[in-house]
Amino acid sequence: SQQGEEDPQALSIQEGENATMNCSYKTSINNLQWYRQNSGRGLVHLILIRSNEREKHSGRLRVTLDTSKKSSSLLITASRAADTASYFCATEGDFGNEKLTFGTGTRLTIIP
Amino acid sequence: GAGVSQSPRYKVAKRGQDVALRCDPISGHVSLFWYQQALGQGPEFLTYFQNEAQLDKSGLPSDRFFAERPEGSVSTLKIQRTQQEDSAVYLCASSLVLYEQYFGPGTRLTVT
Repeated sequence: SQQGEEDPQALSIQEGENATMNCSYKTSINNLQWYRQNSGRGLVHLILIRSNEREKHSGRLRVTLDTSKKSSSLLITASRAADTASYFCATEGDFGNEKLTFGTGTRLTIIP
Repeated sequence: GAGVSQSPRYKVAKRGQDVALRCDPISGHVSLFWYQQALGQGPEFLTYFQNEAQLDKSGLPSDRFFAERPEGSVSTLKIQRTQQEDSAVYLCASSLVLYEQYFGPGTRLTVT
């Protein structure tokens, strides 16, 4: 079963705007990862944030993690048409258990 | 270098047939994972290998599902007596231990 939920389920914005997606999860984690999936390139790893980190940046991506609320957010700045895809958060459990538990995903559409 | 490859990319099986799905991980990656992704959902964990050892098979939905990785490299996921509910995309991922997982393009299985 899915670990948690992502919000919103679908998001459409104009090119150049910022997109924010949220993820909630249920159990304690070792780290949280964000993935992008589109039909052309499959599931691609974007960024990993460890449980002792609160914020991380990578290019146009900014991820926050609040372990007290069991939630994370992904911000994509200055969106581009190529950012159109589904975005999933995935949690890795306690040390020694590497399997990922994915959220339900957010379908992002960038309008040129 | 080459990424994770999976074959076949598409498979149509009649209900009751057996199928075998192959995964070639990135060379040198110790960990290998299988996930099942239903339409419109996030991937769900099936099973996990470290080298040739199957450390977690808690996600396999029934005893019709079997996975192996006999030499610690290539892995095969076998589904016996396929049912319509087995229709999904089957994703394979590999990683170095405790690092991000790299996903293959998936095998889309359709059971008619």
